[in-house]
Amino acid sequence: QKEVEQNSGPLSVPEGAIASLNCTYSDRGSQSFFWYRQYSGKSPELIMSIYSNGDKEDGRFTAQLNKASQYVSLLIRDSQPSDSATYLCAVTMEGSNYKLTFGKGTLLTVNP
Amino acid sequence: KAGVTQTPRYLIKTRGQQVTLSCSPISGHRSVSWYQQTPGQGLQFLFEYFSETQRNKGNFPGRFSGRQFSNSRSEMNVSTLELGDSALYLCASSLVPGGGYEQYFGPGTRLTVT
Repeated sequence: QKEVEQNSGPLSVPEGAIASLNCTYSDRGSQSFFWYRQYSGKSPELIMSIYSNGDKEDGRFTAQLNKASQYVSLLIRDSQPSDSATYLCAVTMEGSNYKLTFGKGTLLTVNP
Repeated sequence: KAGVTQTPRYLIKTRGQQVTLSCSPISGHRSVSWYQQTPGQGLQFLFEYFSETQRNKGNFPGRFSGRQFSNSRSEMNVSTLELGDSALYLCASSLVPGGGYEQYFGPGTRLTVT
C-alpha cells in the first residue's frame, strides 16, 4: 500500500506558467504536511508546511490541503527555470507513530 | 544561524566494513532524524533521537543504529555493509520531536559500498 503518492512526472511547464503538484496520502489521521524541493545532487529544502484545511500562501507558492479527500497540493505561480527540481511531499502519519513519510517526488521542469 | 552539518560528505567502503556518520543539528534544535535516500525507494525514515533517546524507528535491519549526545549531535552506524546500503544518508533537525514539526536537512553523506 502506497502511503504517500505523487505523480513522478516529469511535469513540464513554460516559464511564467502555474505549476501544479499533487500528493495523496493513505492515513486519514495525518496531521502535518510538508513540501520540500530537492535540486539534483542536493538535499531536500523545506518550502512549505500546512496543518489545516485550506490554502496557505508564501510568495509564489501556495499549498492546499483537503483532509476529507486526503490530498495536498502545491501551486507555483510565475514558474521560473530555477524552480526546476524534484518536489517531495511529506506527511506525518498517525498510523506510523507520527514519523514523517515522503512521497517519491515529482520532477518539475520549467522551460524558458 | 548555521544549518545542519554532516560529515563526511562522501564515503567509499567495502562490503562487510562498518561506517559511522555524524550530524550536528541547527543550534537549539534537539531532535535529529536520519533518512536513507535511494533512487528506487526514495526517502526512507531510519530513526529519530531526542534528548539522547531513540523516539522512533523505521523498518531497517539492526545493522543500522544510532545515538545522540548531550549536545544534540548524532551519529549513525551501519555495520556489515552490503551493496544495497549505497545511498545518500540525510539527517534532519527539528526544534521538537515528532514528524509533525518542520525538519531541516543537512547536505547528506553519499555512501558508496563496493
